[in-house]
Amino acid sequence: DTAVSQTPKYLVTQMGNDKSIKCEQNLGHDTMYWYKQDSKKFLKIMFSYNNKELIINETVPNRFSPKSPDKAHLNLHINSLELGDSAVYFCASSQVGTGRGYGYTFGSGTRLTVV
Amino acid sequence: GNSVTQMEGPVTLSEEAFLTINCTYTATGYPSLFWYVQYPGEGLQLLLKATKADDKGSNKGFEATYRKETTSFHLEKGSVQVSDSAVYFCAEGGGGGNKLTFGTGTQLKVEL
Repeated sequence: DTAVSQTPKYLVTQMGNDKSIKCEQNLGHDTMYWYKQDSKKFLKIMFSYNNKELIINETVPNRFSPKSPDKAHLNLHINSLELGDSAVYFCASSQVGTGRGYGYTFGSGTRLTVV
Repeated sequence: GNSVTQMEGPVTLSEEAFLTINCTYTATGYPSLFWYVQYPGEGLQLLLKATKADDKGSNKGFEATYRKETTSFHLEKGSVQVSDSAVYFCAEGGGGGNKLTFGTGTQLKVEL
């Protein structure tokens, strides 16, 4: 059973389109995240939800909108895609308390290519 | 905000060589510290962790010791294998909102 699953794994789309990436976790975790990994492997947090409530919203263009229908799901919708949005997007989940040693469980990533 | 600094890669080693990847953090107090590994085409996997000063995390022959006095969490392995080729990320978890702060990653390539 996959703990954190993302779909699709690959997404190729044209500039200006709108697309969504879905994420689901079956670990019973309370917190879910979206990270963006650029071509140099740098990881940047975008959003974090705790039990459906937005708790981290880093400086991200408002073309990106997360939605959490329940604590097991966190989706990412992107409007008006731009070339610079090309990256790998990772979903992750965790128990509350990274300071107490709870790390993240990551999905396998969605490689978004905007042409 | 908090930051994590890792040595820049890529690091290229011969099989059975000794590995050290340096990591330092800036968070105050006693954050939890982590090493993650990312194999090609995959997501990040937790490799090891430590939650308090002088703790040693270990897994699959890798070790790292939480050094509060030097704010460091260096990753070591005595004898690397070709299968260890991957990108390694150091991270600290002590920030608000359950946030993990990652280093920039260090690519390791092990050759025969």
